[in-house]
Amino acid sequence: GDSVTQMEGPVTLSEEAFLTINCTYTATGYPSLFWYVQYPGEGLQLLLKATKADDKGSNKGFEATYRKETTSFHLEKGSVQVSDSAVYFCALYEGAQKLVFGQGTRLTINP
Amino acid sequence: KAGVTQTPRYLIKTRGQQVTLSCSPISGHRSVSWYQQTPGQGLQFLFEYFSETQRNKGNFPGRFSGRQFSNSRSEMNVSTLELGDSALYLCASSPLTGGEDGYTFGSGTRLTVV
Repeated sequence: GDSVTQMEGPVTLSEEAFLTINCTYTATGYPSLFWYVQYPGEGLQLLLKATKADDKGSNKGFEATYRKETTSFHLEKGSVQVSDSAVYFCALYEGAQKLVFGQGTRLTINP
Repeated sequence: KAGVTQTPRYLIKTRGQQVTLSCSPISGHRSVSWYQQTPGQGLQFLFEYFSETQRNKGNFPGRFSGRQFSNSRSEMNVSTLELGDSALYLCASSPLTGGEDGYTFGSGTRLTVV
């Protein structure tokens, strides 16, 4: 079945560092791909999405490119801030009315 | 525009009791999904409703059930609560029949079973 694998956390960086969180997926077709972010005590917020191969999703300085050849959707940001500290989830949608999530990556940014 | 509203935010129940959680989707959204989030299992799909019909169900025991009303509001019920049902329950809504453009999530209901 469909699955999503994220890099193990937690990840700790200093402010203004470059961020990469790896995400790879397994799917039988061509899913839509998403990154969601969860701040402490909150639900999930959609950060960005890509619906077809080579699409680049971007929002709030974060970017991710849908790579069909490597089945990847890595999240990047050029300069992180303390306010980016949260848990990040990679997810796919391939029909069946449900999202399949990775296990989440906890990111902590130190000032 | 109001977001997805889940009530209550926090709930403490005793083993063996039952519980009902409520979700009001974004106005105009007709699809409502439910997810369970735990530290051990992560985010797992419970079920999805569209126009009052359950269209998909995750791998959970029959103690977990749900329904959707004509105004798209949804409830989920868990009967005979077990300690392992302690989790954050998240509701998500979408305007479409599918989730290709993503879902909008509520803040969740934190259920603690003691």
